[in-house]
Amino acid sequence: AAGVIQSPRHLIKEKRETATLKCYPIPRHDTVYWYQQGPGQDPQFLISFYEKMQSDKGSIPDRFSAQQFSDYHSELNMSSLELGDSALYFCASSPRGFSYEQYFGPGTRLTVT
Amino acid sequence: KQEVTQIPAALSVPEGENLVLNCSFTDSAIYNLQWFRQDPGKGLTSLLLIQSSQREQTSGRLNASLDKSSGRSTLYIAASQPGDSATYLCAVQKSSGNAGNMLTFGGGTRLMVKP
Repeated sequence: AAGVIQSPRHLIKEKRETATLKCYPIPRHDTVYWYQQGPGQDPQFLISFYEKMQSDKGSIPDRFSAQQFSDYHSELNMSSLELGDSALYFCASSPRGFSYEQYFGPGTRLTVT
Repeated sequence: KQEVTQIPAALSVPEGENLVLNCSFTDSAIYNLQWFRQDPGKGLTSLLLIQSSQREQTSGRLNASLDKSSGRSTLYIAASQPGDSATYLCAVQKSSGNAGNMLTFGGGTRLMVKP
């Protein structure tokens, strides 16, 4: 079965640089969520999109922005990177319907040096 | 604001034991609850999802129960194996709509099953 695809899997950037993370949801899933998991922490919700519109916003810094495109893939853009942005970034997708179960991708590990 | 707590934070058991992981949440107005497994540095694998109208779900050696009114869920693992060693996370979803359905995670229980 198709799963959520995230790219790149690993990314190393320097402080103040910009990074773009991509997420390809499971086919026919119309909702995408982004979560950030810092070292030794539980995942924290950043932002979500439903049918290409932002649906919820969590603890996402103003330096970050995201969007969902017409093919439902999503991109998380991170600017002016800080050391504290080093984390695992997960994308999840879910279909509309009864369960709204979220399916997670493998994550992108971002290291800021 | 929803807060999710998992107890214990870490657990070490010998192979073959049955064990229970606990999850509690402060706001009982949830839509569903998911249990995940995470291996070190890896992604989240969904184990079980319980709708708010359900009491339990089973998959193989795993059984998850939900008591929404008391804000508690348990994950029961039968006949534990070394391959079960991982961090187990519970997460609650507040809403079923196209807003408010982000997951709020607990801090996880780090399980070690010794051969």
